Amino acid sequence: NAGVTQTPKFQVLKTGQSMTLQCAQDMNHNSMYWYRQDPGMGLRLIYYSASEGTTDKGEVPNGYNVSRLNKREFSLRLESAAPSQTSVYFCASIPPPPARYNEQFFGPGTRLTVL
Amino acid sequence: AQSVTQLGSHVSVSEGALVLLRCNYSSSVPPYLFWYVQYPNQGLQLLLKYTTGATLVKGINGFEAEFKKSETSFHLTKPSAHMSDAAEYFCAVSDRRNNDMRFGAGTRLTVKP
Repeated sequence: NAGVTQTPKFQVLKTGQSMTLQCAQDMNHNSMYWYRQDPGMGLRLIYYSASEGTTDKGEVPNGYNVSRLNKREFSLRLESAAPSQTSVYFCASIPPPPARYNEQFFGPGTRLTVL
Repeated sequence: AQSVTQLGSHVSVSEGALVLLRCNYSSSVPPYLFWYVQYPNQGLQLLLKYTTGATLVKGINGFEAEFKKSETSFHLTKPSAHMSDAAEYFCAVSDRRNNDMRFGAGTRLTVKP
């Protein structure tokens, strides 16, 4: 199993450009998450998807959209990138209950810089 | 909603010394508690977790944590630090009723030779 994979690993955008961050998991997990990590702020939840076909906002959803394409894939889209969105983005997934008590499995991250 | 406070954004210890990273949580229901470690330029990796039962939890790499309900704490300890323990550590709390997980701001551990 590859676990949770993210593409790309690095990206530089200009203000106003759009892009989609891709996330996929091959562990048959139901729930998937997108976080951003900024220095001194830990991980903040952007959006999550409890199951295929459903998505919900987290703590910091403004400026982002998501798509749960199927059970494996959960993408994050920036429609008009802003410098404030410069961050490291992590995707995570959780196995279905009762396994593993909400333990999250993380991808390697995407480092995004918006100029 | 639950929340996590990690006391100390940076902790420095000498190799062989005790490691103590502090975490306090707030939750209206009995929580699930986690410690994750992040090495440079990598994702987060689970160190240990508390769900139910024994309040002293042992994890990987010699780390352990104790759930103290009366103090709403879940501090992480290791008796003897190794250079390889240098990383950032995150405490997290999850609501038993759903999949909502909240992370602390993180503590960067430096180990001096």
